[in-house]
Amino acid sequence: DQQVKQNSPSLSVQEGRISILNCDYTNSMFDYFLWYKKYPAEGPTFLISISSIKDKNEDGRFTVFLNKSAKHLSLHIVPSQPGDSAVYFCAAIGLTGGGNKLTFGTGTQLKVEL
Amino acid sequence: NAGVTQTPKFRVLKTGQSMTLLCAQDMNHEYMYWYRQDPGMGLRLIHYSVGEGTTAKGEVPDGYNVSRLKKQNFLLGLESAAPSQTSVYFCASSYLMGIPYIRGRRVDTEAFFGQGTRLTVV
Repeated sequence: DQQVKQNSPSLSVQEGRISILNCDYTNSMFDYFLWYKKYPAEGPTFLISISSIKDKNEDGRFTVFLNKSAKHLSLHIVPSQPGDSAVYFCAAIGLTGGGNKLTFGTGTQLKVEL
Repeated sequence: NAGVTQTPKFRVLKTGQSMTLLCAQDMNHEYMYWYRQDPGMGLRLIHYSVGEGTTAKGEVPDGYNVSRLKKQNFLLGLESAAPSQTSVYFCASSYLMGIPYIRGRRVDTEAFFGQGTRLTVV
């Protein structure tokens, strides 16, 4: 039972354009969401997060949008750069009664082309 | 500042052999986790610990055991390795979950990961 889903295993975008990575979740107890970025042969690193009391959080080129009613979040990268090429994992956690464990999605491989 | 360190980085085991993966963190984190990453499956939680001396099962605990004798170390053991345990294993640590504020300051609950251990069971 995949509680966090990333339905696009891969995405290819041209440099300078917008990259949009999507994530859906099914567990209504999740109230905090995170995006991690992973390069080959390295561990995932934290990128950006959002609490369920917000619908948007922005950090430089990265913006995460949360639609609670649709149980959907997305990560926007503008403008996309070749160094953004990596696997992006969406993760969720229930801070108040959801089990206090990070649940990850399957990941989306982003390739930013020159 | 080492962060989260995993040893070894690579290992090849024969079916039935045992081994222990070591994870060490120097950030004084209470929570530690072991994940495995497989193609098309993302990161799946094997076991986790909410503090020294505690362990709990995650999503895919069968075939693994863990111990947290010291706060900074979290060990993952394979008693009798099987080819299905061929994977990349990641250890992670984080601040205390469930308490997003410490002394009024928002603490992000992100986990910090080690570089991974690539294990092949033949």
